[in-house]
Amino acid sequence: QKEVEQNSGPLSVPEGAIASLNCTYSDRVSQSFFWYRQYSGKSPELIMSIYSNGDKEDGRFTAQLNKASQYVSLLIRDSQPSDSATYLCAVIGGFGNNRLAFGKGNQVVVIP
Amino acid sequence: EAGVTQSPTHLIKTRGQQATLRCSPISGHTSVYWYQQALGLGLQFLLWYDEGEERNRGNFPPRFSGRQFPNYSSELNVNALELEDSALYLCASSLGARTNYGYTFGSGTRLTVV
Repeated sequence: QKEVEQNSGPLSVPEGAIASLNCTYSDRVSQSFFWYRQYSGKSPELIMSIYSNGDKEDGRFTAQLNKASQYVSLLIRDSQPSDSATYLCAVIGGFGNNRLAFGKGNQVVVIP
Repeated sequence: EAGVTQSPTHLIKTRGQQATLRCSPISGHTSVYWYQQALGLGLQFLLWYDEGEERNRGNFPPRFSGRQFPNYSSELNVNALELEDSALYLCASSLGARTNYGYTFGSGTRLTVV
């Protein structure tokens, strides 16, 4: 079982629509959860962090965490062409394991 | 505040040679992490250094090694290069071993092995 799984294929959304991305993780005692955005040929950029169950909103982005289901999601509202990128889910594992484990990422394409 | 800096930006080596990649963390950050991102693949964890010591190592052969200097900068060495080592190598830093905050990445070193 992979530490962090993002199973959806490329996601195409029309401009102005909502893009929804999902992620599951295997370490039940994981503490910290992140979403990174990576443009082609560039390094990952941290866009959201969430540490407790529930929703966290930052501008057009909303992260959702459900520790009981070991599930993290990211919603992008009013999607813009500049949101076209690969989105990486990342998790810091249980106590004593500080490294950040990444999912393979989901490519989002926003169609004007 | 200067971000994480990596050098060189691009590196071309011949199979069998050695490559050395360098990373300077954000000022005040003591932890440095190295990741490999091969084409079409996710970020694979390589090494984590904190306070000069290797704290964790990913599932890579021993020819991948590194160190962290007293000023917290780090270098990654890859010996006996193989074609499949061609990838983007990313360095990230964080405040320390106990931080729960996300890492900040450098712009990466693109290593090409021919």
